Amino acid sequence: KNEVEQSPQNLTAQEGEFITINCSYSVGISALHWLQQHPGGGIVSLFMLSSGKKKHGRLIATINIQEKHSSLHITASHPRDSAVYICAVGTLVGETSGSRLTFGEGTQLTVNP
Amino acid sequence: DGGITQSPKYLFRKEGQNVTLSCEQNLNHDAMYWYRQDPGQGLRLIYYSQIVNDFQKGDIAEGYSVSREKKESFPLTVTSAQKNPTAFYLCASSPQWINTEAFFGQGTRLTVV
Repeated sequence: KNEVEQSPQNLTAQEGEFITINCSYSVGISALHWLQQHPGGGIVSLFMLSSGKKKHGRLIATINIQEKHSSLHITASHPRDSAVYICAVGTLVGETSGSRLTFGEGTQLTVNP
Repeated sequence: DGGITQSPKYLFRKEGQNVTLSCEQNLNHDAMYWYRQDPGQGLRLIYYSQIVNDFQKGDIAEGYSVSREKKESFPLTVTSAQKNPTAFYLCASSPQWINTEAFFGQGTRLTVV
């Protein structure tokens, strides 16, 4: 079992729909990251959060530390939101060595006009 | 503009040849990372560097080598010892090794024929 599990693996939506992507993890974390990868491969960091909720434009990320679960929501989805969305967790390495990222496999989102 | 530059975007090499992938950042970040991405799998850590002249093996370091002679540069060499070198390679950096937001390059797609 992967340390970071995302669902669904693939998601197709119509423009305007509300979208939710889920991420569950099985390890203790220092922070959780949501990333966006467009065709062509470059990755953009959307959110880094360790508690509660963050909002940026039409994107909302929430995290429940007790349940080891995070969700990424997209409101009023648009075809330009089509991308792979990746959840990654930061886990501590040693006492002073900082943290490293462990990645989920990603969710391929396609928004049709 | 500050950012991470990977070059080239596409690279073809014959089997048995070593190849070096470039990663340069002008963000003044201390930490730099190399990840490998294969279809259907999450990003996996190859090597990381917390500071100039220091680097550590990640989860899949066999067949790879790196150097960190300058803060802004972290080149990755894929050697002939790497059994399955064809993959998408991503470089990332963060201000510190300790739990901060990561910034990613656009990636290099390496094909070995």
